[in-house]
Amino acid sequence: SAVISQKPSRDICQRGTSLTIQCQVDSQVTMMFWYRQQPGQSLTLIATANQGSEATYESGFVIDKFPISRPNLTFSTLTVSNMSPEDSSIYLCSVDRGPKYTQYFGPGTRLTVL
Amino acid sequence: DAKTTQPPSMDCAEGRAANLPCNHSTISGNEYVYWYRQIHSQGPQYIIHGLKNNETNEMASLIITEDRKSSTLILPHATLRDTAVYYCIVRDNDYKLSFGAGTTVTVRA
Repeated sequence: SAVISQKPSRDICQRGTSLTIQCQVDSQVTMMFWYRQQPGQSLTLIATANQGSEATYESGFVIDKFPISRPNLTFSTLTVSNMSPEDSSIYLCSVDRGPKYTQYFGPGTRLTVL
Repeated sequence: DAKTTQPPSMDCAEGRAANLPCNHSTISGNEYVYWYRQIHSQGPQYIIHGLKNNETNEMASLIITEDRKSSTLILPHATLRDTAVYYCIVRDNDYKLSFGAGTTVTVRA
């Protein structure tokens, strides 16, 4: 398995501001993923972040709104920019680990935008 | 889009086996079936995965039909702590997980 931590665990923000979410893994991984879970909904993949290259975004998500950094093999950040109440969600990072690329998830960051 | 179909909800009795079905009729030959669960908005927890053989670990068993078009997750002795949303996912070759709505499992005393 993998030990994954996220900071902050939750936050309440004002519209128009930005929040950067950190994801730290206990050992080196190649692929990291960022997901969003809107209230009452399932998880939706935002982007895939590989170290040394730009993140690959899924349809409906753009870099200007969700810039991602991946400075090394154990860390990544996701920024939610110019927030609106519609951005209120749980944001989760995950990593691939193991011989068959099992994906493990962090505890999530619960964001509320007022 | 999710490639699986699951019942939206099911109840089971504490101490009994819980059998969770999943249909994945369009699965291709090298795609794995993964099961995760999510307890009350925590991060999803990996349970088990398989390709074509049945698999068992300390949490559950996974039974995959011979044609691979469906599978069943078995929780052998359900406890109240197993109450969660269970997701059956066919993972594609670029390692992405596509989550559907899952099955809300409620274990009752």
